[in-house]
This record gives sequence, C-alpha cells and structure tokens, in this order.
Amino acid sequence: KQEVTQIPAALSVPEGENLVLNCSFTDSAIYNLQWFRQDPGKGLTSLLLIQSSQREQTSGRLNASLDKSSGRSTLYIAASQPGDSATYLCAAPLILSGNTPLVFGKGTRLSVIA
Amino acid sequence: GAVVSQHPSRVICKSGTSVKIECRSLDFQATTMFWYRQFPKQSLMLMATSNEGSKATYEQGVEKDKFLINHASLTLSTLTVTSAHPEDSSFYICSAPTSGGSDTQYFGPGTRLTVL
Repeated sequence: KQEVTQIPAALSVPEGENLVLNCSFTDSAIYNLQWFRQDPGKGLTSLLLIQSSQREQTSGRLNASLDKSSGRSTLYIAASQPGDSATYLCAAPLILSGNTPLVFGKGTRLSVIA
Repeated sequence: GAVVSQHPSRVICKSGTSVKIECRSLDFQATTMFWYRQFPKQSLMLMATSNEGSKATYEQGVEKDKFLINHASLTLSTLTVTSAHPEDSSFYICSAPTSGGSDTQYFGPGTRLTVL
C-alpha cells in the first residue's frame, strides 16, 4: 500500500528564487505520480502527471522528476513569483493502477515573498 | 479536458441536519468516483469509493450510516452527511477517473461544509 510524504511542510522564499519541493513514496512499483496545487479554501489544480516510464515532465516554469528506485519525486519551480504561493501536493495511486484513489502527501505550503 | 462539478460549493447548516453534496462528471461517464475529506491544514484523505449500480466501499473509520453514498447514474454520485455535527465540518472533494486507458483523474472543485 502506497504512502506519500512531503517535506518541508512549509517554505518561504524571496521572489525570483528557484526552489525544489520534495515528495517521497514507499512503493517503488508506482503507476504514476501527480503534482497538484491548492490555493487556500479551493480545490485542486493538476500541475504535472509523470508516468511510471517517464523520468520527468515539464510545464512552463515547472519541472517534475520521478526516481522510482529511490522513491522520490521533486517539483522544481524556476524564477518563483508571488502568484506561486499555494500548497503543493503530490499524490500517487493507492495500488498499481491508474483507476484507483490517490494517496496524498500532506503538502508543502509555499510562500513567495515579493 | 474532462470536467467534474460539485454542488454546492459551500454550505452552512445547523447541527443535526443532513446535507447532500453532488458530484457530476460533465462530459464523460464515470463508473467509479472517489470521495475525499480534507480537514484544515491536513491532506486529502479517502473516505469512500462510489460504484455505479452497487454499494459504496468505505475506508476504515468512516461510518457508512453517517456518510451515505449513492451512485445512481454514470455521471452522478451523491454524498449525504446525515445528522451533521460540528466535527463533520470539512472540505469534501470528489474525483472521477476517466475510462479508455487514460490515467488521469479529474477532481471536483470541492464543497466546504460548516456545521454550526
């Protein structure tokens, strides 16, 4: 059964800085891994989905990597902006299938200071 | 991309009343939907799996008689919080995986329940 952990729980950086958010998972036989953004009091916005066969995915200033052997994924945010302030969640399917519920980490609350 | 809607987005009710939350897949059929709950500053936790035409599967610790789930059609699942109490106040989110080999799950915008 998959378990997902995220560190740090909170992060504060000055605007313009590059940063890395970390996610670890217990079952290396991962089907895929997804990164979400959640603004306060709001739902989830899917950022990137990395399939098991992939090592990374990129979207704009975001780059997510997946290392199954070490049980880790990172979300790299380049040139951070105040609008990036939100909670970032990573999640993986509970079992080795895409159509199962997701197991979420507790998230990293990011604050980008202007 | 596919869209999942939830209604209402926000509800405030008195203790002891029941509240129904709807989750709809707008442009695809969903034989399965998932219901999650998120307490303040916590992550999303799976409550139950809603299956079209059959009984829902509940996670350990979730009372099936308190959280009634009905998946009556391929596009609609409802979660009814019966006799709600302040400790049920939470953010409820549903998701639906698409079929046809896609690995993507689409999440609803969530429902904020406040029980007074």
